[in-house]
Amino acid sequence: AIQLTQSPSSLSASVGDRVTITCRASQGISSALAWYQQKPGKAPKLLIYDASSLESGVPSRFSGSGSGTDFTLTISSLQPEDFATYFCQQFNSYPRSFGQGTRLDVK
Amino acid sequence: QVQLVESGGGLVKPGGSLRLSCVASGFSFSDYYMTWIRQAPGKGLEWVSVISNSGKYIYYADSVKGRFTTSRDIAKNSLFLQMNSLRVEDTAVYYCARGDWVFQSWGQGTLVVVSS
Repeated sequence: AIQLTQSPSSLSASVGDRVTITCRASQGISSALAWYQQKPGKAPKLLIYDASSLESGVPSRFSGSGSGTDFTLTISSLQPEDFATYFCQQFNSYPRSFGQGTRLDVK
Repeated sequence: QVQLVESGGGLVKPGGSLRLSCVASGFSFSDYYMTWIRQAPGKGLEWVSVISNSGKYIYYADSVKGRFTTSRDIAKNSLFLQMNSLRVEDTAVYYCARGDWVFQSWGQGTLVVVSS
């Protein structure tokens, strides 16, 4: 099974900051990676798929990059509504798997 | 508008059973793979199972294999998760999601608590 390791596990930042979250796969997964945002008590929301494709309706301040084993999610200028938990997910093979999550909170 | 509504969660004793349902609307249910994903309280997301659009192909996480069974009823636009031999560690919010590769649409989740 492919394991995904996110770093950092938690992150404190301020509105306007540029933030980068990393996801590392235990083996190569090409570009078969997605990113989700989850707010408390809510289902996750898809942000990025195929490592770098922006889901429709997601603000352009979100971007993704990477391929193989190393991936990043970048928020170019944090907005108040971006404080949440972020998960990466691989769809290269079964079982699908998620990273452990990165909690982004207000500094 | 895509809508997924789960039901069937609740409190059950270890070793017990529950059947979760997910009713889909707003899209052609028979065209999509469907997935169950769970989230233990305060924890991350865990992929549980996927079923192909026809129901012919079904895959499970090792943690539930042999205990959980996924099925679907296309006529009723419904997805099911039969959970047997439940364990304390199965306690989680269970989400159904549309898709297999990525999950664009999710239900609101249903809480399963396994406790004596």
